[in-house]
Amino acid sequence: NAGVTQTPKFRVLKTGQSMTLLCAQDMNHEYMYWYRQDPGMGLRLIHYSVGEGTTAKGEVPDGYNVSRLKKQNFLLGLESAAPSQTSVYFCASTNWGNQPQHFGDGTRLSIL
Amino acid sequence: KNEVEQSPQNLTAQEGEFITINCSYSVGISALHWLQQHPGGGIVSLFMLSSGKKKHGRLIATINIQEKHSSLHITASHPRDSAVYICAVFPGNQFYFGTGTSLTVIP
Repeated sequence: NAGVTQTPKFRVLKTGQSMTLLCAQDMNHEYMYWYRQDPGMGLRLIHYSVGEGTTAKGEVPDGYNVSRLKKQNFLLGLESAAPSQTSVYFCASTNWGNQPQHFGDGTRLSIL
Repeated sequence: KNEVEQSPQNLTAQEGEFITINCSYSVGISALHWLQQHPGGGIVSLFMLSSGKKKHGRLIATINIQEKHSSLHITASHPRDSAVYICAVFPGNQFYFGTGTSLTVIP
């Protein structure tokens, strides 16, 4: 019973490098979300998707892109990593907008 | 602007104490959630509320829609309750999260 799986769990990048974070869910959920969590701040929404092939911007979308080509997968891309993007990234999914979210274990990303 | 405010930010309690964590919000909502984040980082949903009160084991969550306020209570606290408790509201298009209350329960 995997739920929501995020890969990788840890990553260190140099400024300017690019990478993709993968989120996979096996619960057939329509809604998927990418958040970042920084010290002293609540979870902040980066991008979200309300179904396969759809994406929308959240509160802090700059510097990130996303894709939802398959219902079970939601990818978060950093095109040119910056130190300000050092954070813990969480993916979540739910079957309807206001329902409880299921979270992945997080990806700890450091940008040097 | 902060749509969600939690208090206290940090809380230390002796095992067995009754604990209250508060959440105030400034927007109209269709649902309020309480989440728990363990020291390892994992986040789980505890409660979803739209009115009244819910109870699960030693945890009780209440909401007053008119006052835009919710409380999470833990009865007979235990060291395994040590975690960060997060309040989140859903005004209609996305969740907004509080910064969390870090709870430490000492044996």
